[in-house]
Amino acid sequence: GAGVSQSPSNKVTEKGKDVELRCDPISGHTALYWYRQSLGQGLEFLIYFQGNSAPDKSGLPSDRFSAERTGGSVSTLTIQRTQQEDSAVYLCASSLAPNPDTQYFGPGTRLTVL
Amino acid sequence: DAKTTQPTSMDCAEGRAANLPCNHSTISGNEYVYWYRQIHSQGPQYIIHGLKNNETNEMASLIITEDRKSSTLILPHATLRDTAVYYCIVRVAGNNNDMRFGAGTRLTVKP
Repeated sequence: GAGVSQSPSNKVTEKGKDVELRCDPISGHTALYWYRQSLGQGLEFLIYFQGNSAPDKSGLPSDRFSAERTGGSVSTLTIQRTQQEDSAVYLCASSLAPNPDTQYFGPGTRLTVL
Repeated sequence: DAKTTQPTSMDCAEGRAANLPCNHSTISGNEYVYWYRQIHSQGPQYIIHGLKNNETNEMASLIITEDRKSSTLILPHATLRDTAVYYCIVRVAGNNNDMRFGAGTRLTVKP
């Protein structure tokens, strides 16, 4: 079946602009995760959804970052007033909760803030 | 989640078995060992996971020592496309918690 998909694959924006990144999880997966990966670095956890609710928002780096999930499926990560340090690959993963919860990752969105 | 230790890098000849070690001496009884890999410019790819028994799937085999303090991921016949960073992660399954990726092992398969 289809895997996790993300769009756009690449996004170039100017500092100060808002961006929206989209994640389509694997059908039937109730848990969804957002991570980001800076160049040459490991994965940084951002937020996790179980259904439409986000029990763990601890990883969001600032109040410029927000995420929502509707209908227990598609999720959108929004970054307001982007800064150059927001440049990274944003990865989405989904899992069939609660057990097993092996996470399957999408290809990521490469965000470049000029 | 228990901490893991992996070698920074390894080389393997094409067609040979690649054996990637991971130490997790502080693993708890309810923690699983997961392996992922990340090929350049792609998202992480799930490979295999296990609790205490050895596991095998179409991609790899996972050998976990009896005391569960270490494990080895085996790619039986490495190809050039297996060149990637391999991550060993120890975590409690079913908690819907995030994956804690360390630095991993950079495996280079050479012709």
